[in-house]
Amino acid sequence: AQSVTQLDSHVSVSEGTPVLLRCNYSSSYSPSLFWYVQHPNKGLQLLLKYTSAATLVKGINGFEAEFKKSETSFHLTKPSAHMSDAAEYFCVVSSSGGSYIPTFGRGTSLIVHP
Amino acid sequence: KAGVTQTPRYLIKTRGQQVTLSCSPISGHRSVSWYQQTPGQGLQFLFEYFSETQRNKGNFPGRFSGRQFSNSRSEMNVSTLELGDSALYLCASSPEPPTGPDTQYFGPGTRLTVL
Repeated sequence: AQSVTQLDSHVSVSEGTPVLLRCNYSSSYSPSLFWYVQHPNKGLQLLLKYTSAATLVKGINGFEAEFKKSETSFHLTKPSAHMSDAAEYFCVVSSSGGSYIPTFGRGTSLIVHP
Repeated sequence: KAGVTQTPRYLIKTRGQQVTLSCSPISGHRSVSWYQQTPGQGLQFLFEYFSETQRNKGNFPGRFSGRQFSNSRSEMNVSTLELGDSALYLCASSPEPPTGPDTQYFGPGTRLTVL
């Protein structure tokens, strides 16, 4: 069984300040972990993925995430928020061997103030 | 190449009815996955088809079914609609069975409203 908990439903930051979106997971097997972003009225876009290589994963648009097995966490960070980062972010786990059977977190809405 | 196409884009039905949604994958893609997105439950995996066979299925009741045709187009069907089935239904295609989201291309979705 696998599950994902996104600890904050909304995160509000000022432009230029750091972003932290928190994600905890549970998995019976070695998980693959992902972060997606969904802008209003747009489709899902993959930000980054972890698949048992380096624990610090760099993604697009300056985002990165660190896999911490001992804490079962995969938090998403960015050093400096831009207005264009305002969107819904989803943490996803898949732990079914070669098949991709994802379980999504409920999402975190990132609000960026000028 | 044209992207993933979903039809219709919007649909209104009443409780008890059934509905069929269609997804045309990117040309050459043979795998289609379906997802449901609701405010309450978030995004949930419904099922995945490859070469006309259902490979994986999420935790949904039997009212939700799907199929894939020889041209890789896929349909999903929901019978005996309930209010809670109101959602955005997303389809994603990939060349082969997906091993991760980096090989999936999402369509714009079909917004289903059940009254």
